[in-house]
Amino acid sequence: AQKVTQAQTEISVVEKEDVTLDCVYETRDTTYYLFWYKQPPSGELVFLIRRNSFDEQNEISGRYSWNFQKSTSSFNFTITASQVVDSAVYFCALSEADSGAGSYQLTFGKGTKLSVIP
Amino acid sequence: DVKVTQSSRYLVKRTGEKVFLECVQDMDHENMFWYRQDPGLGLRLIYFSYDVKMKEKGDIPEGYSVSREKKERFSLILESASTNQTSMYLCASSPLGLAAQETQYFGPGTRLLVL
Repeated sequence: AQKVTQAQTEISVVEKEDVTLDCVYETRDTTYYLFWYKQPPSGELVFLIRRNSFDEQNEISGRYSWNFQKSTSSFNFTITASQVVDSAVYFCALSEADSGAGSYQLTFGKGTKLSVIP
Repeated sequence: DVKVTQSSRYLVKRTGEKVFLECVQDMDHENMFWYRQDPGLGLRLIYFSYDVKMKEKGDIPEGYSVSREKKERFSLILESASTNQTSMYLCASSPLGLAAQETQYFGPGTRLLVL
C-alpha cells in the first residue's frame, strides 16, 4: 500500500533562513507521481509541483527547489531565503499509475506546518 | 486559471440536520473529489466522481453521500449530521480521465461545525 510520511510536524525559522521540508514515500509501483501542495491560513490547497517517477532531475522555481531521490524514496522541498508569506502547511502527496481503477487517488502525508518569523 | 468554488467558507449546523456542501468547478474537469481534513490525520478521501451521475466511495464514506447531476457541480450530503463530522471539507477537481498524473485543484474549503 502506498504511504507518505512527513516526519516534521512543525518547523519554525527566522525570515531569510533556508528550510527543507522532508517527504518520504512508500510504493510498490514503478510508475508514480509525487506532488507538493501549500495550504496557507486561508485554507485552500495550492498546487506547487508534480513529478513523475522517471524524472529524477531536481527542479528550481524561484526560491523553491525540489530534490527527488528514488534511492531513498524521498522528495524533499527547500525554500531558500524564507519569507513570512511562506508560512503555511505543506503537504506531500503520491499517486500510483499502476493501481488500475484507483490510480487517480492521491495519498497525502499529514503535512508540515511552517512558521516563518519576521 | 482553474477555479473551484465551495458554497460556504463556514457552516454551523445542529446534530441530526441534513447538510449540503456544494462545489463548482469552471474548467470542464471530468473528476471531482471530496476530502475531509482533520488535525493529525491529514486529508482523507470521502467520495469521488469521474463522470456525471457516477460516484465511487473513498476511504471514509460512512455517514456521507454525494450527488453529481451536472459536470461542473459535485455535492456532498450529510444525511444526519453528527458532532464527529465537524471538520474542514475540501473539494477538488482534475481534468481528463482517471489518471495518476492528473493534478487535483482544490477549492477554499468549508469549515463545518456540528453542535
